Amino acid sequence: QQQVKQSPQSLIVQKGGISIINCAYENTAFDYFPWYQQFPGKGPALLIAIRPDVSEKKEGRFTISFNKSAKQFSLHIMDSQPGDSATYFCAASASGNTPLVFGKGTRLSVIA
Amino acid sequence: KAGVTQTPRYLIKTRGQQVTLSCSPISGHRSVSWYQQTPGQGLQFLFEYFSETQRNKGNFPGRFSGRQFSNSRSEMNVSTLELGDSALYLCASSSGLTSGAGELFFGEGSRLTVL
Repeated sequence: QQQVKQSPQSLIVQKGGISIINCAYENTAFDYFPWYQQFPGKGPALLIAIRPDVSEKKEGRFTISFNKSAKQFSLHIMDSQPGDSATYFCAASASGNTPLVFGKGTRLSVIA
Repeated sequence: KAGVTQTPRYLIKTRGQQVTLSCSPISGHRSVSWYQQTPGQGLQFLFEYFSETQRNKGNFPGRFSGRQFSNSRSEMNVSTLELGDSALYLCASSSGLTSGAGELFFGEGSRLTVL
């Protein structure tokens, strides 16, 4: 049973465009929602994270939007660059006592 | 500060064999978690340890086991290998109690191929 559903599986975006990746969850106990970025041959690395007390968090070109009532959160990459081409994973956990569960990932390709 | 180190990086085994993978966490981190990464299933949680105690276990058969030593280094073992066990096995360490408590620092993984 997939606890965090991520879409799309793959995404192609023009350089300078906006990349949007969506995630949905069912467990209302989830209270920590990070996004990880993985380049080929490397392990995932934390990109940005949000907790449900805010609806949006921005770090540079990366923004998480969080909708608690809809149980959805999304990653927006503004002014997408070829260097952003990677696989992105959303994840969630509850109260710091449960393991971090990941979505299946989105492979992003930014083309010039 | 050295990152998470996983060994071996690549290995090839045949069905029925067993394998042991090793993970050295970031110095000072006492929590180690393991994930299986496959193209179709993404990152699936295997188990995690804190100070030598297993904190959580994922939905994997008993052929998958792990342990953590007093120096926080961890090993995972897969016995009676099956073709479907071919995957990238990722280890992550953190300063929190569990993998869900904060930032995870991943190693580059051990890529296992079962023939």
